[in-house]
Amino acid sequence: KQEVTQIPAALSVPEGENLVLNCSFTDSAIYNLQWFRQDPGKGLTSLLLIQSSQREQTSGRLNASLDKSSGRSTLYIAASQPGDSATYLCAVDGINNNDMRFGAGTRLTVKP
Amino acid sequence: DAGVIQSPRHEVTEMGQEVTLRCKPISGHNSLFWYRQTMMRGLELLIYFNNNVPIDDSGMPEDRFSAKMPNASFSTLKIQPSEPRDSAVYFCASSKDSPNTGELFFGEGSRLTVL
Repeated sequence: KQEVTQIPAALSVPEGENLVLNCSFTDSAIYNLQWFRQDPGKGLTSLLLIQSSQREQTSGRLNASLDKSSGRSTLYIAASQPGDSATYLCAVDGINNNDMRFGAGTRLTVKP
Repeated sequence: DAGVIQSPRHEVTEMGQEVTLRCKPISGHNSLFWYRQTMMRGLELLIYFNNNVPIDDSGMPEDRFSAKMPNASFSTLKIQPSEPRDSAVYFCASSKDSPNTGELFFGEGSRLTVL
């Protein structure tokens, strides 16, 4: 059974810092991995989708990497801003299950 | 496109009442998912449809929950009778690709409170 873990559960950094969020998964047989952002009281917003054949994806200040063999993905946020404060979730679309499995998320606070 | 549209955004009801949540997926998407989010359990998949057909409903908690997708642009999740432990945020999501999930797009959610 695919299990997805995100560490740390919460992170607080000063504005301007570069930071890395981690996601690990137990079954490397995946179609893709997706990173989402969730603001309080809101739905999930897709940030980046990495196909299993890809190593990384970039969008603006965000860079997501995927190491399928080791079951790891990282989300790198450059030059963090207070507006980046949110919960970040990763989700894995596994070949051996019918749905995307979500991690519990990392709650990020960027202090001005 | 307006994105995935859910209604109502908030619902407060009393135990034993019927609750119906609604979802309109993004036009052209052929897969639709219902998720439930709570602090204790995070995001859980309840059921998903592909081309309007339920594919996996193993996440539906019990017989009190039912879901339908009568056409490609509409789905409902019904709880009857509702209980306080059903209080959660219910999300609908859709995607374009099959059999893999592809990029998943979420609605804003329906926050349900059962008193």
